[in-house]
Amino acid sequence: QKEVEQNSGPLSVPEGAIASLNCTYSDRGSQSFFWYRQYSGKSPELIMSIYSNGDKEDGRFTAQLNKASQYVSLLIRDSQPSDSATYLCAGLISSGSARQLTFGSGTQLTVLP
Amino acid sequence: KAGVTQTPRYLIKTRGQQVTLSCSPISGHRSVSWYQQTPGQGLQFLFEYFSETQRNKGNFPGRFSGRQFSNSRSEMNVSTLELGDSALYLCASSPGLLSSYEQYFGPGTRLTVT
Repeated sequence: QKEVEQNSGPLSVPEGAIASLNCTYSDRGSQSFFWYRQYSGKSPELIMSIYSNGDKEDGRFTAQLNKASQYVSLLIRDSQPSDSATYLCAGLISSGSARQLTFGSGTQLTVLP
Repeated sequence: KAGVTQTPRYLIKTRGQQVTLSCSPISGHRSVSWYQQTPGQGLQFLFEYFSETQRNKGNFPGRFSGRQFSNSRSEMNVSTLELGDSALYLCASSPGLLSSYEQYFGPGTRLTVT
């Protein structure tokens, strides 16, 4: 069972709209979550990290974490064609003293001009 | 600050050969993690090194190994290459602090096994 699940998409939104990307996780002990953006042929780029329940805003990006529902989301306001990429959700899974990031399979976002 | 660097960027090897990939983390970062990315399996964790010690290992066969040097640079080695090892190998560095686990990825090494 995959520990981090993402709605696989693909997702298309018109330019200027809000893109909503969602992620659920199975490990209730997970404390930290991250959103990465990966352009085709490039490596993942960290865009948001969230450690506590609630919303965290950074420019056009808002990450939301709901630990009771084991749900993480990323909202992109005023979407631009340059936001077209695959978005990866990652959760920090701890096992004793060992920790690792577990990634979802990614959601491909296309912003249409 | 310079980002994470990985060498080589591209590599073509034959089945049965071995390969060594190198990663230099962001200055001051002490943790280096390695991932394999394929279209079918996505991003999969290989291992993490911190202060020259392997701190965690993913579910990969023993053909995959790594090490970290005192300057935090890391190498990973894959022996007896198989066709299925063709993938993008990504290195990510992190300060390694327990309070933060933000990882920053290098450009990756694209390995093709023929």
